[in-house]
Amino acid sequence: EVQLVESGGGLVQPGRSLRLSCTASGFTFGDYAMSWVRQAPGKGLEWVGFIRSKAYGGTTEYAASVKGRFTISRDDSKSIAYLQMNSLKTEDTAVYYCTRGRATNDAFDIWGQGTMVTVSS
Amino acid sequence: SYVLTQPPSVSVAPGKTARITCGGNNIGSKSVHWYQQKPGQAPVLVIYYDSDRPSGIPERFSGSNSGNTATLTISRVEAGDEADYYCQVWDSSSDHLVVFGGGTKLTVL
Repeated sequence: EVQLVESGGGLVQPGRSLRLSCTASGFTFGDYAMSWVRQAPGKGLEWVGFIRSKAYGGTTEYAASVKGRFTISRDDSKSIAYLQMNSLKTEDTAVYYCTRGRATNDAFDIWGQGTMVTVSS
Repeated sequence: SYVLTQPPSVSVAPGKTARITCGGNNIGSKSVHWYQQKPGQAPVLVIYYDSDRPSGIPERFSGSNSGNTATLTISRVEAGDEADYYCQVWDSSSDHLVVFGGGTKLTVL
């Protein structure tokens, strides 16, 4: 079964850091770009960023709202994507989903169940 | 940045047809993907590349895209279709490479 499972969410104080993980199974992880999408409570979906597959250079892109604070990486040997979040703000409070797509312009065809991040003092 | 505009809500009686629009500047030149999200659940892809359906998605779901409007059409609406629906595009000229619409709450009366 094709599956994505996020972990690492929790309660964190403003200004602190948190790292989320997205563990994939059931498909060849290295063939896919991996994206992070978040959803603040009661709000819509917001793209956070993504990392291309190694075939496309393994480079990253970020939304302006997180650029310079968040970093996405991947370990293809473990089938895991990471989202390192630094200098967290209260407005980063959201459910964070990881999702896959083969390349730019592709749809996100598989989503994880999400992990909640709450930034509060 | 590129903006996608969806109506906040659409209501439809069971068995009727629901149409959810997604407006954007010359959106017909882009590929539009649609997602369904039920309360407490992750989004599910229901239409990709304007009008293609993933396996497992009923034929009642269809999509079109032309000019400044993309449309998700749900025929013979069922109670189980009640959900939030989001359109999405990629926009290389935007500071948000991936853009989602604000979402539309579909209510089945």
